[in-house]
Amino acid sequence: GQQVMQIPQYQHVQEGEDFTTYCNSSTTLSNIQWYKQRPGGHPVFLIQLVKSGEVKKQKRLTFQFGEAKKNSSLHITATQTTDVGTYFCAGLSGSEKLVFGKGMKLTVNP
Amino acid sequence: NAGVMQNPRHLVRRRGQEARLRCSPMKGHSHVYWYRQLPEEGLKFMVYLQKENIIDESGMPKERFSAEFPKEGPSILRIQQVVRGDSAAYFCASSPSQSYGYTFGSGTRLTVV
Repeated sequence: GQQVMQIPQYQHVQEGEDFTTYCNSSTTLSNIQWYKQRPGGHPVFLIQLVKSGEVKKQKRLTFQFGEAKKNSSLHITATQTTDVGTYFCAGLSGSEKLVFGKGMKLTVNP
Repeated sequence: NAGVMQNPRHLVRRRGQEARLRCSPMKGHSHVYWYRQLPEEGLKFMVYLQKENIIDESGMPKERFSAEFPKEGPSILRIQQVVRGDSAAYFCASSPSQSYGYTFGSGTRLTVV
């Protein structure tokens, strides 16, 4: 079945640093979504990408959908302590439900 | 708009008892999804429902687990004869259609003792 893999699984950065996390699907996706879950909280929808090569920005977060629609990346600029949490990518392909990756847990050193 | 409402927030059951988890989707959302999350793990799909129909239950164990989304009232995830391995956070999400982002509820943390 469809699989979504995220790397790295853990990311520890110094406040102010930039970093990128990646998401890869075993199948071509019709869309990819990103969610953020704070410790003890629930996943919150961040963004959806639909078009091949699409790039979307939300303040310091930049999301990109690969040309082949099988991978995506999230780049965070000037990381802040408020960015702490687990970031999930989730892909929608032929099936009718989102398949989530295992997440990338971000910790920030102030 | 109250968002996706799940109750109870925390549920403790003894082995062998039944657990009933409730989810009221956002107003206007007809698609409901249940996911299970273990500590430090991702979200594992269980079941996708629309009103009175189960669309996809491929992620739900065949035994002891069932789900419904009746014409009136919340969606229910029912776990019979719970075992310790059922301890997890169960999240419900809803969307207006399958290609939209999901809105998640706050989850039910089930502990089996």
